[in-house]
Amino acid sequence: GAVVSQHPSRVICKSGTSVKIECRSLDFQATTMFWYRQFPKQSLMLMATSNEGSKATYEQGVEKDKFLINHASLTLSTLTVTSAHPEDSSFYICSAPRTAPTNYGYTFGSGTRLTVV
Amino acid sequence: AQSVTQPDIHITVSEGASLELRCNYSYGATPYLFWYVQSPGQGLQLLLKYFSGDTLVQGIKGFEAEFKRSQSSFNLRKPSVHWSDAAEYFCAVALSGGYQKVTFGIGTKLQVIP
Repeated sequence: GAVVSQHPSRVICKSGTSVKIECRSLDFQATTMFWYRQFPKQSLMLMATSNEGSKATYEQGVEKDKFLINHASLTLSTLTVTSAHPEDSSFYICSAPRTAPTNYGYTFGSGTRLTVV
Repeated sequence: AQSVTQPDIHITVSEGASLELRCNYSYGATPYLFWYVQSPGQGLQLLLKYFSGDTLVQGIKGFEAEFKRSQSSFNLRKPSVHWSDAAEYFCAVALSGGYQKVTFGIGTKLQVIP
C-alpha cells in the first residue's frame, strides 16, 4: 500500500515553455504532498508543501510564480514549471505522508527528470 | 530545525564485506528516522524506518539500522554487501506527529568492488 505515481518520468522541453508534473496517490488520500528538487550529486531539497484545497507553502528562496503547485483533489498534486530555463533542469520528486490507517511514513514518487534545452 | 549529517560522502566496499553507513541527526526530541536508497536516475526507495519501539529496525534487502538516542545516531548496516547494493543512500528525519516535511542528509554513495 501507499503508492505515489509520478509522471512523466522524463521530459525535455524548450526554453520558455511550461512543463507540468503530476503526482497521484493510488491507494490512499494524500491531503499533503511535498515537492523536492535534487541537483546532480546533491541531496533532496524541499521546494514546497501542498495541501488539498489550500495554497501551497513555499520554502525560502523558491519562486512561487515559477513553480506553480496545485492540489485540487485528495489524490492529485501537480507542479508546473513555468517559462522553463536551462537552470531549471533537475530531478523533481514528490512525496506524500500516509499515517492512517497504517503509518507508512512517507512515500515518494519515482521522480521526473526535467531537461530544458 | 532538524538536521541530518552523513559524514561519509563516498564509501567503497568489497562484495561480501560488511557495511555500515553513518547518520547523525540533530533534534530535541526523537524524530521519525528513515533510510532511503536511490539508484542512478531513479526515485527513492524506502529501506527502513523508525518511529518508536525496538531500536533495532529490520528493513528490506537485508539492511538493518539501530537507533541510539544517546548518540543521536541511526546507522545503517548490512552484514554482506552485494554488487547490486551500489547506489546512493540517504538518511532522513521528520518531526513526529502529523504531516511533517522530511529533511535529508547529503547522501552516501556506495561503490561495491568485486
